[in-house]
Amino acid sequence: EPEVTQTPSHQVTQMGQEVILRCVPISNHLYFYWYRQILGQKVEFLVSFYNNEISEKSEIFDDQFSVERPDGSNFTLKIRSTKLEDSAMYFCASRARGGIDEQYFGPGTRLTVT
Amino acid sequence: QKEVEQDPGPLSVPEGAIVSLNCTYSNSAFQYFMWYRQYSRKGPELLMYTYSSGNKEDGRFTAQVDKSSKYISLFIRDSQPSDSATYLCAMSAGNTPLVFGKGTRLSVIA
Repeated sequence: EPEVTQTPSHQVTQMGQEVILRCVPISNHLYFYWYRQILGQKVEFLVSFYNNEISEKSEIFDDQFSVERPDGSNFTLKIRSTKLEDSAMYFCASRARGGIDEQYFGPGTRLTVT
Repeated sequence: QKEVEQDPGPLSVPEGAIVSLNCTYSNSAFQYFMWYRQYSRKGPELLMYTYSSGNKEDGRFTAQVDKSSKYISLFIRDSQPSDSATYLCAMSAGNTPLVFGKGTRLSVIA
């Protein structure tokens, strides 16, 4: 069964460093998302991406964040200068074309900023 | 009022019990309703998906949506210890980001 994959599973970085989180969405999906979940809190939307551009972003997704689809399979989230409060699980999700909204999530990357 | 409210639990039931999980919401534009299961430190796994009002059944799981009351439910019949997880409701207005509840932590005791 096709699935969303994410790497790395755990990333530890120092405050102020740049990190890139990687995702491979399901191959025939066209819409891509990043969400984050701070420990013990809700899953929160960060950004959606369609047709090689951002379609929507939340207020969390400030200038420190960027997304890219560098090739036909990968979808990345970059945090330019990490802060302690960026520590969270980051989930990539994808969905197929159409009027349905079923989003399939990857296993997540646990980001720890020290 | 929060957009999606979900009782965080924890909810503890004996094996074989019927479990009822619920969410309420405030945004009448929501049309798509999902239930995800999340094991500790793992990604949400899509369990059920419903469009608009009505019921949907899949094996031991039944999802119900009552748009007039802005209330959705997930029922688990014959609950198993392997059902122990956090259950997240999520919803959207259509081609919009999912809005999640906080999740209900369920423990099924053998």
